Amino acid sequence: EVQLVEFGGGLVQPGGSLRLSCAASGFRFGDYYMDWVRQAPGRGLEWVARIRNKANSDTTEYAASVRGRFTISRDDSKNSLFLQMSSLKIEDSAIYYCVMGYSGSVFDVWGQGTKVTVSS
Amino acid sequence: DIQMTQYPSSLSASVGDRVTITCRASQDIRSSLAWFQQKPGRAPQSLIYATYTLQTGVPSKFSGSASGTDFTLTITNLQPEDFATYFCLQYYTYPFTFGGGTRVEIK
Repeated sequence: EVQLVEFGGGLVQPGGSLRLSCAASGFRFGDYYMDWVRQAPGRGLEWVARIRNKANSDTTEYAASVRGRFTISRDDSKNSLFLQMSSLKIEDSAIYYCVMGYSGSVFDVWGQGTKVTVSS
Repeated sequence: DIQMTQYPSSLSASVGDRVTITCRASQDIRSSLAWFQQKPGRAPQSLIYATYTLQTGVPSKFSGSASGTDFTLTITNLQPEDFATYFCLQYYTYPFTFGGGTRVEIK
C-alpha cells in the first residue's frame, strides 16, 4: 500500500524553526517528485514546495510566501521527505500535507497531515 | 501567478441533485487542471486530473469538462457521502494554485 506519514509538527514561537518529515512506503520513493501542501485553519489549500527526483537533480520549486525561509529536501535511502521551516510567521500556521502523484496523475496520494502552530 | 477563481463558494443541494462547480483560470493552463474532494478533518482526495480523467476508483457520477479557461466539475445524483468541500488545482506552471473551494451542503 502506498502511504505517506508526516510528523514533526507542533507549537513554535514566531521567528522560530521547525523540521517536518514525511515517511514514505509502498513505492520506489526515489523515482517520484514530492510536494508539500498546507491548509490554514478553516482556509483553502496552498501549494508550498516541490522537489524533483534524482534523475532531475533533486531540483526544487517554492511558493513565493515561503521562498528563502523554507527548504524542501529528501533522503532517498530513508524514503523520507523533509521541510525545514525557519523564520516562522503566524500565517505559517496550518496543517502540512506530504503529497505526491503516484499513478501518472497529480496529487493522488496524501498523508494525514501534521499541524504547525506559530504563536507566542 | 495564475489565479484560480472558483465559484460558487458554497451551494445547497438535495440528495439526487446534479451540481456543477466552476474554476476560471486567469490564463491558459492547457488541460492541467485537477479536482479534489475534502471532508472535515480529512486530507483531500483526488477525483479528476488532466481536466477529464477520473482517478482510479472514483465513480462516474463525477465528471470534468472545460471551455477555454473555464473548468467545470459536475456531480450527478448527489448522495449523502458527496457533501463535502471541493477544490480545483492548476498544475500547468509554478506556483501551483488552488481554487478557493466550494462547500456543498445539504438543503
